Amino acid sequence: DAGVIQSPRHEVTEMGQEVTLRCKPISGHNSLFWYRQTMMRGLELLIYFNNNVPIDDSGMPEDRFSAKMPNASFSTLKIQPSEPRDSAVYFCASSPTGTGAYNEQFFGPGTRLTVL
Amino acid sequence: AQSVTQPDIHITVSEGASLELRCNYSYGATPYLFWYVQSPGQGLQLLLKYFSGDTLVQGIKGFEAEFKRSQSSFNLRKPSVHWSDAAEYFCAVGAYGSSNTGKLIFGQGTTLQVKP
Repeated sequence: DAGVIQSPRHEVTEMGQEVTLRCKPISGHNSLFWYRQTMMRGLELLIYFNNNVPIDDSGMPEDRFSAKMPNASFSTLKIQPSEPRDSAVYFCASSPTGTGAYNEQFFGPGTRLTVL
Repeated sequence: AQSVTQPDIHITVSEGASLELRCNYSYGATPYLFWYVQSPGQGLQLLLKYFSGDTLVQGIKGFEAEFKRSQSSFNLRKPSVHWSDAAEYFCAVGAYGSSNTGKLIFGQGTTLQVKP
């Protein structure tokens, strides 16, 4: 398996522009997680989906952030408009669930976002 | 509220020395515990996990961790550190009531520096 795939790996944009980050989870995994990592705040859970349904978006910082999972093999995280404080590494992770036990989350390589 | 605490933000050890990274958790029942490693510029990779049974768990790269219920701890150890072990280490616990969705609560991480 190719693992969790994220694109782009690096994104540089200007303040006010729309940014879309993409994630393809591991086939067969039915939970998908979006995290943000910064030096100041560490690793933060933004939102997660189970069976394509958003379960908890309480970590989404503002209305400028939105996430979708239109099918089991694709998710997007969108920031509109972007601001310099959104600069961070964004990780997507997926996990097989539904077995009654916690399973590990498999992380993608991350997207490094820089907003100028 | 459920939490994971990694008391040491930064640790420096000499190559060949032993290592112990601390992790304390708050959880009302038997926890599901994980240790992840993040090398520079990479995503998180699972080192080991504890669900039940033997309280001493072996992982990849020569790491082990011991679950101590009385101390609410899950410390990570390695007998002899290699320069390639320099990375950030995260402890995590399965969020209570979220086994069907796989949500994990992560600690703030410990950065390990290895001196030659």
